[in-house]
Amino acid sequence: KNQVEQSPQSLIILEGKNCTLQCNYTVSPFSNLRWYKQDTGRGPVSLTIMTFSENTKSNGRYTATLDADTKQSSLHITASQLSDSASYICVVRPDTGTASKLTFGTGTRLQVTL
Amino acid sequence: KAGVTQTPRYLIKTRGQQVTLSCSPISGHRSVSWYQQTPGQGLQFLFEYFSETQRNKGNFPGRFSGRQFSNSRSEMNVSTLELGDSALYLCASSLVSGDFETQYFGPGTRLLVL
Repeated sequence: KNQVEQSPQSLIILEGKNCTLQCNYTVSPFSNLRWYKQDTGRGPVSLTIMTFSENTKSNGRYTATLDADTKQSSLHITASQLSDSASYICVVRPDTGTASKLTFGTGTRLQVTL
Repeated sequence: KAGVTQTPRYLIKTRGQQVTLSCSPISGHRSVSWYQQTPGQGLQFLFEYFSETQRNKGNFPGRFSGRQFSNSRSEMNVSTLELGDSALYLCASSLVSGDFETQYFGPGTRLLVL
């Protein structure tokens, strides 16, 4: 069964610090992997998308990495801000199929404090 | 451009009742997908519509149904509500249905079944 596991489940960091969120998946064959940010009370917003041939993708202070061999991805947040407080969801799309085949992780809830 | 809108935003129902949720996609988007989000399960795919046709359906019982209108607006219906149906229901739209199409999510409808 295709699975996506994220760690940690939750994280509290001080403003200005960096953090790294992890995503391990078993989806195979693999097409692409997205990271979403979901603010409380809002729908998820796409941050990055990577195919199996890409190792890293940046979006401002967010940098995603992908190791297709070990089936691991990480999302690194640099110089965190209070507005980074949200849930971060890793989503993997298999090689075939449409939206019905997307596998979502349960997310990491990040809280940035003063 | 206006984003994806969902109505109502909050809903309280009792067991056995039925409910209809509405989603208006971004103008020009023809693909609409519905997801159920619960804390323990993450996002679970319900169904996808494209040009008024249901393209895919997730592993949910027949109590969950949906439809899409000619203007791409979509509704989902849940009959004979159960306590376990309490969740955030998210709608996402995209221009077409494809591997690299970015889905834009609405804010969701939070359903509480008592």
